[in-house]
Amino acid sequence: AQTVTQSQPEMSVQEAETVTLSCTYDTSESDYYLFWYKQPPSRQMILVIRQEAYKQQNATENRFSVNFQKAAKSFSLKISDSQLGDAAMYFCAYRRGGGADGLTFGKGTHLIIQP
Amino acid sequence: EAGVTQFPSHSVIEKGQTVTLRCDPISGHDNLYWYRRVMGKEIKFLLHFVKESKQDESGMPNNRFLAERTGGTYSTLKVQPAELEDSGVYFCASSPGTGEYEQYFGPGTRLTVT
Repeated sequence: AQTVTQSQPEMSVQEAETVTLSCTYDTSESDYYLFWYKQPPSRQMILVIRQEAYKQQNATENRFSVNFQKAAKSFSLKISDSQLGDAAMYFCAYRRGGGADGLTFGKGTHLIIQP
Repeated sequence: EAGVTQFPSHSVIEKGQTVTLRCDPISGHDNLYWYRRVMGKEIKFLLHFVKESKQDESGMPNNRFLAERTGGTYSTLKVQPAELEDSGVYFCASSPGTGEYEQYFGPGTRLTVT
C-alpha cells in the first residue's frame, strides 16, 4: 500500500523569504500523480500544484515549485517570496495513475508566515 | 460556478445517535469522494462514487457507515450508531475525470460525538 510522509508538523518563515516543505512517499507503482493541497484557516482545501510521475521536469506555478526526485521518492514544495496569505495547512497527496482512485494524504504541515 | 458544498458544517451528537452528512458536488462531476480526518492524523479516503455506483469503498471503517448517491447527484453519509471514535472532519470532493484531474474539496463537516 502507498504511504505519504510529511515529517514537518509545523514550519515558520519570514514574509518574503523562501520555505521548503518536505514530503516523501512509498509506492510500487510506476504511473502516479503527486499533489500539494493548501487549506487556509476555516476555508476549503485547494490544489496548489501537481506533478505527473512520468514527467522529469519539475512543476511550477508562479511562486510555487516542486523538487520531484523520483528515485528517492521525494516531492518537496518550495514557496518563494512568502506572503501572509500563504499561511495554511499544506497536504502532500498521492494518487495512482490510470484511474480515479482516492488520494492518499500525508499528515500535513502547518505553515506560519511571520510578518 | 458553485463549488462543492457540504451540510451541516458542524454536528454534535451523543454516542449511539444517528447523523447524516450531505455533499453536493460540482455539477457535472461524475466522481465523488468521501474522506475523513481524525484529530492529529492523516486525511483518510473512505469511498468513491462514479455517478450513482460505488467504485471503491475500501476505506469505510465498518458497517455503521452507509453512503449513498441518489441519481448520481448529491451524496449522503450516514453514521448509525455513532461512536466516540467517529469524531473528526468529513470532507467530500468531486472530480470531472480520472488521472491527473484535480479533486475539488468541500469545506468539510466537523462531527463531534460525545
